[in-house]
Amino acid sequence: QVQLQQSGPGLVKPSQTLSLTCDISGDSVSRNTGAWNWVRQSPSRGLEWLGRTYYRSKWYHDYAVSVKSRITINPDTSKNQFSLQLNSVTPEDTAVYYCAASMPSVYSFDYWGQGTLVTVSS
Amino acid sequence: QSALTQPASVSGSPGQSITISCTGTSSDVGSYDLVSWYQQYPGKAPKLMISEVSKRPSGVSNRFSGSKSGNTASLTISGLQAEDEADYYCCSYAGSTTWVFGGGTKLTVL
Repeated sequence: QVQLQQSGPGLVKPSQTLSLTCDISGDSVSRNTGAWNWVRQSPSRGLEWLGRTYYRSKWYHDYAVSVKSRITINPDTSKNQFSLQLNSVTPEDTAVYYCAASMPSVYSFDYWGQGTLVTVSS
Repeated sequence: QSALTQPASVSGSPGQSITISCTGTSSDVGSYDLVSWYQQYPGKAPKLMISEVSKRPSGVSNRFSGSKSGNTASLTISGLQAEDEADYYCCSYAGSTTWVFGGGTKLTVL
């Protein structure tokens, strides 16, 4: 059973970088099936898929068009975790951020972290 | 991509069946059998209930079932129980590595 544990600050200033980490237990970030995602939820935008990373003999990354210029999702194999960085945040980026695992299929979000409310405010 | 359309709320009495619809377009729901459904309690993370239109993950009650016709997917909950009261979201793959979610439906068990 995969378990995901998120960590990171709940308050970020405008124009700065939002950084969150998702620790994985019960599986490996380097598995050759599935994918590791970030999804956010806000009253104004609802649920929104942000991006993913996955390993198929090498690492791949896919990002939503809405955040593509500002987002980076990276795996850390030494810590069995993956991270989210979102640059140049504005108050519109205020949301609950979730990490989510897709496995075995990459087309659904099978396991979720507990969520982190990130508020963008000075 | 625009969000998938779900009714804002549905309700039913214990023991009854309810259906939640999820309407998309020929670019998402209509093109792929890759609709999933999530249950979310207040303050909690979503939980996968149905994947690929009608597949139930291990541990999900067989009272939950999914289907699709054209551009509309549906989630049916039979034998409604008090514990089913939650928000439900649909999600569809929309091609080009994008996913679109519905706006959510609040289920009230009367």
